[in-house]
Amino acid sequence: DGGITQSPKYLFRKEGQNVTLSCEQNLNHDAMYWYRQDPGQGLRLIYYSQIVNDFQKGDIAEGYSVSREKKESFPLTVTSAQKNPTAFYLCASSTDRAYTDTQYFGPGTRLTVL
Amino acid sequence: AQKVTQAQTEISVVEKEDVTLDCVYETRDTTYYLFWYKQPPSGELVFLIRRNSFDEQNEISGRYSWNFQKSTSSFNFTITASQVVDSAVYFCALSERSSYDKVIFGPGTSLSVIP
Repeated sequence: DGGITQSPKYLFRKEGQNVTLSCEQNLNHDAMYWYRQDPGQGLRLIYYSQIVNDFQKGDIAEGYSVSREKKESFPLTVTSAQKNPTAFYLCASSTDRAYTDTQYFGPGTRLTVL
Repeated sequence: AQKVTQAQTEISVVEKEDVTLDCVYETRDTTYYLFWYKQPPSGELVFLIRRNSFDEQNEISGRYSWNFQKSTSSFNFTITASQVVDSAVYFCALSERSSYDKVIFGPGTSLSVIP
């Protein structure tokens, strides 16, 4: 079945640690996105990538980094510079640009800082 | 300024009642798309509908229907004969030609259907 997978489902981080969230898709989509969701709020865009080896900052990129070495994969690293990383992280993909194409989402990773 | 407003933070209905979730958007573009997503307790966002700005025809899909009115910048979502499985957070979203790489999400409406 085609879809988007995210791992792990739950992640715990100690203060000062970097952690990496995985996102893989087998939909052959060109574009991939990372969103952050805080309780009771909508989604905020962290980073997005329209093509391999290229990515752009979203609205809240500070403290995060990404890579796009393969079309199928778009991992997100939450660095120690992110002061309040506890949140629900959602990865999405679309055939082409967000404006014209529907985004499909993975199941999410819930990150908690201990 | 918030571009997508979902004024109803939480709604509770009794099973089998009809319920309408409101969405008001703001854009200067003449070409744009509107979306609705459902987020059940599991967390994954499930795509429900996409509508472009040139198509104001209302749509019905089973118990779901959508009312798009450009005159009032609204894209409301109605669930007929609600069921417990409809309990979720529902997000309205907007994508504009002028910011073609981004989708703007509303804050969501949490719907609880009580048996």
